[in-house]
Amino acid sequence: GQSLEQPSEVTAVEGAIVQINCTYQTSGFYGLSWYQQHDGGAPTFLSYNALDGLEETGRFSSFLSRSDSYGYLLLQELQMKDSASYFCAVESYIPTFGRGTSLIVHP
Amino acid sequence: DTGVSQDPRHKITKRGQNVTFRCDPISEHNRLYWYRQTLGQGPEFLTYFQNEAQLEKSRLLSDRFSAERPKGSFSTLEIQRTEQGDSAMYLCASSSGTADNEQFFGPGTRLTVL
Repeated sequence: GQSLEQPSEVTAVEGAIVQINCTYQTSGFYGLSWYQQHDGGAPTFLSYNALDGLEETGRFSSFLSRSDSYGYLLLQELQMKDSASYFCAVESYIPTFGRGTSLIVHP
Repeated sequence: DTGVSQDPRHKITKRGQNVTFRCDPISEHNRLYWYRQTLGQGPEFLTYFQNEAQLEKSRLLSDRFSAERPKGSFSTLEIQRTEQGDSAMYLCASSSGTADNEQFFGPGTRLTVL
């Protein structure tokens, strides 16, 4: 089976940096994806890591350590619009999403 | 191209009735996924097509659920004899199968079973 663990909620202030961790257990692994979902909206793709290391895309970065079955999403220069749910997802023979982390950004 | 579309956006039905949802993926995408999402949870995988072939189906999916993608383009998801526990958002996503595995999600169909 497959399972993912991520914090249920994270709060931060505008301009800050926040890290959302994700640990996983899986019987097969191609890579780790991150998605953002605003209330009432559909998930939108943020990043994908197939290999160990850091991937940077603008204010967002994602990290993967395959040996530790661990990854994180780093959000810098937080803005109010970043308030949303963030899901890590294991890409395997089937994709499996975590339960999501609700990020609340305060002014 | 306007992205992934789903129809209907909302469906209210009585327990025991059958419902069918449609998904139109991005035209050049060969992979199509169906998910179910309930409040406070992540998308739960239901099934996956590569072109017209259904390659994977969740073991959690009862035989009341069936999906088709007859010509490798649009897909339908049918739920027979609906139960109140089927109430959820049903999401469709498509991808081109490139290295980054990016999935593009549709707006979803919200099902309410009374």
